[in-house]
Amino acid sequence: DAGVIQSPRHEVTEMGQEVTLRCKPISGHNSLFWYRQTMMRGLELLIYFNNNVPIDDSGMPEDRFSAKMPNASFSTLKIQPSEPRDSAVYFCASTPGTPSYEQYFGPGTRLTVT
Amino acid sequence: SQQGEEDPQALSIQEGENATMNCSYKTSINNLQWYRQNSGRGLVHLILIRSNEREKHSGRLRVTLDTSKKSSSLLITASRAADTASYFCATTYYNTDKLIFGTGTRLQVFP
Repeated sequence: DAGVIQSPRHEVTEMGQEVTLRCKPISGHNSLFWYRQTMMRGLELLIYFNNNVPIDDSGMPEDRFSAKMPNASFSTLKIQPSEPRDSAVYFCASTPGTPSYEQYFGPGTRLTVT
Repeated sequence: SQQGEEDPQALSIQEGENATMNCSYKTSINNLQWYRQNSGRGLVHLILIRSNEREKHSGRLRVTLDTSKKSSSLLITASRAADTASYFCATTYYNTDKLIFGTGTRLQVFP
């Protein structure tokens, strides 16, 4: 089992550029989560999907953020345009059962916006 | 605001000692989970305790839950240098599916 896969692992971009983060959940898992982790705000839930359908996006900070899950094996988190305050580590996690079961995290994408 | 608050924020101990971390939360929960995060890595699930359980063990880990006080504790016995990490509690609100993480405790175990 390869675990949750995220790409890229590191991303450095300039303010105003579009950023796309990618996630492949564990095969057979039917819920997927996107989190953001910063020193100031800790670990924040941005959005989660169940069976590819967005269930709760109340944590998405602004319209600049969007997430999609076109199929059970792939999800993207897009920031357009990016700003320096978006710099953080973004984690994707998946779970086999209902969303309240244990979650399996990917290694994260460290985003730096200059 | 975050559901869980951990205490202490940081803890330093010697190998072989026990480490205790506490978590407090604000509203009714379905379950409470503990996760570990090594520096630069994703979180790893350690243990889940349901709202109708009071204590749970897994290897050197012991978790307690007191729903009347809205608090939980994680005890790591006979700590090892490899236990050095940040530990987070996470709760599921009653009647929702969202998992909300606490602020974390940074544990340093010196050999």
